[in-house]
Amino acid sequence: GAGVSQSPRYKVTKRGQDVALRCDPISGHVSLYWYRQALGQGPEFLTYFNYEAQQDKSGLPNDRFSAERPEGSISTLTIQRTEQRDSAMYRCASSPSGWAGGPPDTQYFGPGTRLTVL
Amino acid sequence: GEDVEQSLFLSVREGDSSVINCTYTDSSSTYLYWYKQEPGAGLQLLTYIFSNMDMKQDQRLTVLLNKKDKHLSLRIADTQTGDSAIYFCAEMPSGGRDDKIIFGKGTRLHILP
Repeated sequence: GAGVSQSPRYKVTKRGQDVALRCDPISGHVSLYWYRQALGQGPEFLTYFNYEAQQDKSGLPNDRFSAERPEGSISTLTIQRTEQRDSAMYRCASSPSGWAGGPPDTQYFGPGTRLTVL
Repeated sequence: GEDVEQSLFLSVREGDSSVINCTYTDSSSTYLYWYKQEPGAGLQLLTYIFSNMDMKQDQRLTVLLNKKDKHLSLRIADTQTGDSAIYFCAEMPSGGRDDKIIFGKGTRLHILP
């Protein structure tokens, strides 16, 4: 079946513009995660959802970053007034169910969106 | 604080064993992971280990956990050219209450002919 997909795969924008990054999780997956990965670094947690509810947004760096998942499926990560330091790979992951006290489900990662802010 | 440390590079001859080491700081971490990242591809979960285990084996992969020293290692037996990738050690801190995963910076495994 189809895995996690993200679009666009590459985005080049000018400083000050807004960008919206899309994530299509695996169908039926309850949890959806956003991570940011700078060059030479590991992925860094941004936020996650269970269904449409945003459970944790503690990793969002500032209020220019927001995310939504209005129908509990597709999610959009929006960065307003982009800055050069926002350039990174933005990765989305989904898992079948949220934490329920048992072994955690695998987080399946998408290919990422590489954002370049000029 | 939450932090995962691992060496950045490892070179191994084809056919030898690769051992990638990692240390983590959150003693309450319940699960520890190894992810593989190949160029142009997403992150692939290789294996995970529960904190009450000290070893897990899956085909060519062996994970060793020393909880006292907060040390995790991944051994790849009979390393092949297809194993060339970046390997990320990761932990799920805080007993898994919030599901986020903390990643290390990754170890780039280079296979020598």
